[in-house]
Amino acid sequence: GQQLNQSPQSMFIQEGEDVSMNCTSSSIFNTWLWYKQDPGEGPVLLIALYKAGELTSNGRLTAQFGITRKDSFLNISASIPSDVGIYFCAGSAGSSNTGKLIFGQGTTLQVKP
Amino acid sequence: DGGITQSPKYLFRKEGQNVTLSCEQNLNHDAMYWYRQDPGQGLRLIYYSQIVNDFQKGDIAEGYSVSREKKESFPLTVTSAQKNPTAFYLCASSMLRNTGELFFGEGSRLTVL
Repeated sequence: GQQLNQSPQSMFIQEGEDVSMNCTSSSIFNTWLWYKQDPGEGPVLLIALYKAGELTSNGRLTAQFGITRKDSFLNISASIPSDVGIYFCAGSAGSSNTGKLIFGQGTTLQVKP
Repeated sequence: DGGITQSPKYLFRKEGQNVTLSCEQNLNHDAMYWYRQDPGQGLRLIYYSQIVNDFQKGDIAEGYSVSREKKESFPLTVTSAQKNPTAFYLCASSMLRNTGELFFGEGSRLTVL
């Protein structure tokens, strides 16, 4: 079946540093999404991407839908302690209204004040 | 406030017992989902429903059952047939026209003793 490879698995960075994480797929996706999960909580949607090549920002977060439609990255600029959590990429090969999502394994981010 | 509510947050069960996890949403979303999360793994889809009285198996449906008698409610039963039920269970909902943009509940942590 379809799989998403998300990297890195974990990151430990200093406050103020920029962060980059990415996801790759063995097959083409039509939708890429990035979620953040705080400890003991459900994930929250950060950014949704629907078009190859699309670059979208949400505050300090920037995500891109790869031109090949097989990858996506998420950048966080000037990290702060509340950025701590697990970041998941997710993709769907269907249209926006049929979407079974495939989730990556997650990137655990820790920020040292 | 609109949202999605899961209960209980923590649940302990003896082997051989069935247990039902509750999920209620007041977002007027048509689609609802159940995911399972294990440490270091992405979210895996158990069941989903796009309309009342209809639901489909996800990737790991064995040992689980669901019902969708009301639009607002999508309970999950973890049966004694589920070999490894200890996990964090997440319920989510979405609009039908945008099934990638999931709204998650806070999760239910099930521990089998």
